[in-house]
Amino acid sequence: KAGVTQTPRYLIKTRGQQVTLSCSPISGHRSVSWYQQTPGQGLQFLFEYFSETQRNKGNFPGRFSGRQFSNSRSEMNVSTLELGDSALYLCASSLVSSGKRNEQFFGPGTRLTVL
Amino acid sequence: GEDVEQSLFLSVREGDSSVINCTYTDSSSTYLYWYKQEPGAGLQLLTYIFSNMDMKQDQRLTVLLNKKDKHLSLRIADTQTGDSAIYFCAESRDYGGATNKLIFGTGTLLAVQP
Repeated sequence: KAGVTQTPRYLIKTRGQQVTLSCSPISGHRSVSWYQQTPGQGLQFLFEYFSETQRNKGNFPGRFSGRQFSNSRSEMNVSTLELGDSALYLCASSLVSSGKRNEQFFGPGTRLTVL
Repeated sequence: GEDVEQSLFLSVREGDSSVINCTYTDSSSTYLYWYKQEPGAGLQLLTYIFSNMDMKQDQRLTVLLNKKDKHLSLRIADTQTGDSAIYFCAESRDYGGATNKLIFGTGTLLAVQP
């Protein structure tokens, strides 16, 4: 079974631009979560989607948005990029979205650099 | 608060045991996880423990949970150079139903000397 894939792997943008990152979950997985990883703030939860609905959102400004398609693939968008948005963006997929133990499988991440 | 604390760095010799510690804050955490991150890679789930357990063993890995002190540890027996990586603990809280939100610790860099 193929793992979680994220595209692109590397991205360089300039301040003020917008960016769209893509995540394809493991086949059959319906939940996709996004995390931002930076040296200063560590790993922080952005949002989670299940069955095309946002189930939970982290403490990030409205410039960060996402969506999920009917095939469970997810995209996240960052508008009006700032230097501080430079980070590794990780996507995780899991079978269901519930309060019970639910293994999350992470993709390799997209490294975004904002100049 | 949501802070999950870990020591930043641990250095061990190959063949020794490694113990990585984590302190979490929310007593309502349901599951606690250990993830491994190698350079340039995503996160690999190593093991997990349910909050009503004290210990879990999985091959070379042993997880100990002290719920009273909100302390979690990961012991790696017979540490190998391939175990060199950053290790994150993470907790999953019950937000009243459906969520997969994980709160991650600050990460511990494990360096294994040959």
